[in-house]
Amino acid sequence: NAGVTQTPKFQVLKTGQSMTLQCAQDMNHNSMYWYRQDPGMGLRLIYYSASEGTTDKGEVPNGYNVSRLNKREFSLRLESAAPSQTSVYFCASSREQGAKGYTFGSGTRLTVV
Amino acid sequence: GEDVEQSLFLSVREGDSSVINCTYTDSSSTYLYWYKQEPGAGLQLLTYIFSNMDMKQDQRLTVLLNKKDKHLSLRIADTQTGDSAIYFCAESISGYSTLTFGKGTMLLVSP
Repeated sequence: NAGVTQTPKFQVLKTGQSMTLQCAQDMNHNSMYWYRQDPGMGLRLIYYSASEGTTDKGEVPNGYNVSRLNKREFSLRLESAAPSQTSVYFCASSREQGAKGYTFGSGTRLTVV
Repeated sequence: GEDVEQSLFLSVREGDSSVINCTYTDSSSTYLYWYKQEPGAGLQLLTYIFSNMDMKQDQRLTVLLNKKDKHLSLRIADTQTGDSAIYFCAESISGYSTLTFGKGTMLLVSP
């Protein structure tokens, strides 16, 4: 019963490098989300996918792209990493958008130097 | 617009009750949630309340909702050291919006 799985758990990038954060859920949820968590800022929504085949911008989408590869997987890509993207990234899923209770992954701690 | 405010820090002694407060601005909020985040982990749903309810109790947890004042609180009875964590309040507008989170309240429980 894995729930939401994020990889990698930790990553250090140099400024300008690119990488993709992976997220997969095994609960047959329709909606998936990417948040970033920064000290004193709480959780801010980057992108979300209300259903397979759709993606929408959240509060802080600049510098990121997403792909809803299939119903299970929702990836987040940083094309040219910047120090301001140093953060903890959380993926979450829910049965429907706004449904009771998101299930969160355990996070990816990203440092951009 | 949507905005969720919480106090940043609360310190209590083991065995006391803890009360974590939250205010929100959107009167059309449908569901209000409390999540718990332990160190190094993701967020875990603790409880939620539908906007037509005033109170919900679940074992040691009591949620109170004052719609007039747009105020939500989480009371933890007989607080234990294992309750030390960050607690997030979140709201959902109708059944079709994403969640908006507060900045989180760090609860520190001392023996």
